[in-house]
Amino acid sequence: DAGVIQSPRHEVTEMGQEVTLRCKPISGHNSLFWYRQTMMRGLELLIYFNNNVPIDDSGMPEDRFSAKMPNASFSTLKIQPSEPRDSAVYFCASSSRVAKNIQYFGAGTRLSVL
Amino acid sequence: DAKTTQPTSMDCAEGRAANLPCNHSTISGNEYVYWYRQIHSQGPQYIIHGLKNNETNEMASLIITEDRKSSTLILPHATLRDTAVYYCIVRVAEGDDKIIFGKGTRLHILP
Repeated sequence: DAGVIQSPRHEVTEMGQEVTLRCKPISGHNSLFWYRQTMMRGLELLIYFNNNVPIDDSGMPEDRFSAKMPNASFSTLKIQPSEPRDSAVYFCASSSRVAKNIQYFGAGTRLSVL
Repeated sequence: DAKTTQPTSMDCAEGRAANLPCNHSTISGNEYVYWYRQIHSQGPQYIIHGLKNNETNEMASLIITEDRKSSTLILPHATLRDTAVYYCIVRVAEGDDKIIFGKGTRLHILP
């Protein structure tokens, strides 16, 4: 398996634009997680899904952020409108039902909002 | 989840064993100790986990004290590529799926 695949690897956009980050989890994994990492706040869990259903979105900063998982092999994290303070590295991770606490992370998307 | 305490940073000479401590004095009987690491510019990577017995895999060894209130991750022959932030996390096996990553230990392997 190729592991968790995220795209794009880097995104540079201007304030006010819509940003969509994409994630393909490991095949057969039933949980998917979106994290954000900054120097100031460290690694923060934004939202996670079980079997394509959002379970906990308490980490989503505000209504500008939304996440979807239309099927078991794809998820998106959207920011609309984007702001400079959204600049961070966004990671996607997945885990299996039999090993819930072993998460496999993608390479991340480095987002810069100018 | 039980709280964990780790040193902020540590140094280790290349080729030597790196021993990373973690305190988890409030751990309960059904909580496991998990270790992850994050190499610069990469996503976190699972290393190893254990309940009460010592564990070893191709990456590291995990030593858990008999009272389970602390543990040590051992990288037997550290290389420069082991420079990373190491996270110690305590979790029940069948709880919710959230993992809270703290600040971890920043390990510097010195040439």
